[in-house]
Amino acid sequence: QKEVEQDPGPLSVPEGAIVSLNCTYSNSAFQYFMWYRQYSRKGPELLMYTYSSGNKEDGRFTAQVDKSSKYISLFIRDSQPSDSATYLCAMSARAAGNKLTFGGGTRVLVKP
Amino acid sequence: EAGVAQSPRYKIIEKRQSVAFWCNPISGHATLYWYQQILGQGPKLLIQFQNNGVVDDSQLPKDRFSAERLKGVDSTLKIQPAKLEDSAVYLCASSGITGRNQPQHFGDGTRLSIL
Repeated sequence: QKEVEQDPGPLSVPEGAIVSLNCTYSNSAFQYFMWYRQYSRKGPELLMYTYSSGNKEDGRFTAQVDKSSKYISLFIRDSQPSDSATYLCAMSARAAGNKLTFGGGTRVLVKP
Repeated sequence: EAGVAQSPRYKIIEKRQSVAFWCNPISGHATLYWYQQILGQGPKLLIQFQNNGVVDDSQLPKDRFSAERLKGVDSTLKIQPAKLEDSAVYLCASSGITGRNQPQHFGDGTRLSIL
């Protein structure tokens, strides 16, 4: 079993819809949670960065962390075709030198 | 602020040949990482440097992979000899001081194909 599980998709939605992405994890030591967006032939780009449980909002993006359930989510409101990309969740623990453990990524397609 | 620079962008070699990748981190970032991303998977950490010292190389295949970060700035990752399963994108990332859990910023990677 992988430490971080993420549905590979693809997840196809019409333009303007809400995109809902999630990851589950098994290591209770994870404290920092991140979402990266990766376009084809590009490096991962940091979207959201949260510490411990709770919600964080930044523009059209909302990240949620539920440590009791070992479950994190990313919501994208008013999705645009430019949001079409692979979304990677990542997490780290200070005790492990903040080494990032990534999920496999979910491919998202936003259709005009 | 300039991002993480990597070169070359693409490399094609035959198995058993050697190859090297170069990374220049964001100015002032003390921590540098090399990741391997196989098609359809998330990045996997190969090695982490803080300044010019190795913090974590537990997942680096040391019989064929080597990395160095001289003077605590640029870094090179080398594979010798290459195997077919080394076909992947090699990503470099950098961040501030690890102890403060600064987020990592990635370059666009080097896409390696082994024939």
